[in-house]
Amino acid sequence: GDSVTQMEGPVTLSEEAFLTINCTYTATGYPSLFWYVQYPGEGLQLLLKATKADDKGSNKGFEATYRKETTSFHLEKGSVQVSDSAVYFCASKGYQKVTFGTGTKLQVIP
Amino acid sequence: NAGVTQTPKFQVLKTGQSMTLQCAQDMNHEYMSWYRQDPGMGLRLIHYSVGAGITDQGEVPNGYNVSRSTTEDFPLRLLSAAPSQTSVYFCASSYQSQGQGYEQYFGPGTRLTVT
Repeated sequence: GDSVTQMEGPVTLSEEAFLTINCTYTATGYPSLFWYVQYPGEGLQLLLKATKADDKGSNKGFEATYRKETTSFHLEKGSVQVSDSAVYFCASKGYQKVTFGTGTKLQVIP
Repeated sequence: NAGVTQTPKFQVLKTGQSMTLQCAQDMNHEYMSWYRQDPGMGLRLIHYSVGAGITDQGEVPNGYNVSRSTTEDFPLRLLSAAPSQTSVYFCASSYQSQGQGYEQYFGPGTRLTVT
C-alpha cells in the first residue's frame, strides 16, 4: 500500500538557519502531496501542497517541490523563526485516502 | 464558518465504557474522516465517509463504529473502551474540486484516556 517516510526528529535549529525536512513516498499512480503543520494542542493545518510532478508548493516562506523521479517532496525554508516551532507532517493522497508520515518535530531556538 | 468542530476536548473513560466523539463541519464537504494520533506513528485512518449514508473502514477500524446520517455530522463511537484506545482523535473534512484540487481541514482534536 501507499506509504510516506519522513526524517525522524526532533530537529533543533537556531533562528535564521536553513531548514530541510526530507519526505519520500511510495504510491500507485500519481498522488497529490501535502505538508501539514501542527502547533502544540491544535489540529493539523495545511501548509502547502502539490498535485503533479515538478509542481512547487509554497506558503509562509516554506517550499516543497514534487519530484517524481526521486519520489520526494522535501520541505525547505531559508530562514526559520521561533514561531515555526511545531510538528510537520508529510502526506500523500491516492484515490480516496490520505497517508501521513510520522511527523518531524522542529524546535527553533533564539 | 466554524470549520470542523469536535467535542469533547478531553475525556477519561474506564475500560469497558462506551462513548461517542462528536464531529461537525459547516463547509458542506462530502468527505469526512476520523484519525487517531499516537506518538511516533503519525495519523492513522480509522473510518471515513464519502457522503451521507456512506462509510468505509480505514487502517485501524476495530473497536470503533461510525455513521453519517447528515452531511454535517460524523460521530465516532467507542463500543467498549480499552486502554489501547488512549490517543488523540482528529476529525477532518475535505473536498476535491477541478480547480483547487484536494483540501482537508482538521478539527482541534479530542484527547481520550482509557484507564
